[in-house]
Amino acid sequence: DADVTQTPRNRITKTGKRIMLECSQTKGHDRMYWYRQDPGLGLRLIYYSFDVKDINKGEISDGYSVSRQAQAKFSLSLESAIPNQTALYFCATSEGTGTGNTIYFGEGSWLTVV
Amino acid sequence: QKEVEQNSGPLSVPEGAIASLNCTYSDRVSQSFFWYRQYSGKSPELIMSIYSNGDKEDGRFTAQLNKASQYVSLLIRDSQPSDSATYLCAALRRGGNEKLTFGTGTRLTIIP
Repeated sequence: DADVTQTPRNRITKTGKRIMLECSQTKGHDRMYWYRQDPGLGLRLIYYSFDVKDINKGEISDGYSVSRQAQAKFSLSLESAIPNQTALYFCATSEGTGTGNTIYFGEGSWLTVV
Repeated sequence: QKEVEQNSGPLSVPEGAIASLNCTYSDRVSQSFFWYRQYSGKSPELIMSIYSNGDKEDGRFTAQLNKASQYVSLLIRDSQPSDSATYLCAALRRGGNEKLTFGTGTRLTIIP
């Protein structure tokens, strides 16, 4: 089983609908992240959380919200989906200590807004 | 100017040759650097990390860091068709305003 699990893996939704992407991890990491990836734009950070009580906006947080339900769970919501939110979304975790702060990614969630 | 810049490619390299991937970064406070490999439609996976100036070798992969020139590279020796992927460079700034920034990636194709 993957250490970082995202659900759903694929979703097609209509404009204006609310959609939630869920993420759970078994790595025991405090830090969790949500990224989106678009062709030519690379990975962009939406929100991040360094522990259960800590939520921070990333570079493209408008139109998104998050909830850190537990150390192992971090969900991303699109309250009213729009077509330009069609993208590949990644949840990620990191230990956050030492020099490296290596980030480990989930398998990704393809979201299409029509 | 993008904070982390990579040539988008595609970069084509014959099988068995050395593939050289380059990355520059603008934030002089960046301390740690990472190379991720991403196959089409899959998640990025860490290949190498490097924190100090110089070279770091791991199997067929060598990462090179030059902080004075703000330059990071990844060399892949004896390139294999399975190395065909997009390679993402990332730079980490630690501290109170910690930030990890990814480049847009270089697409590498190994030609059999």
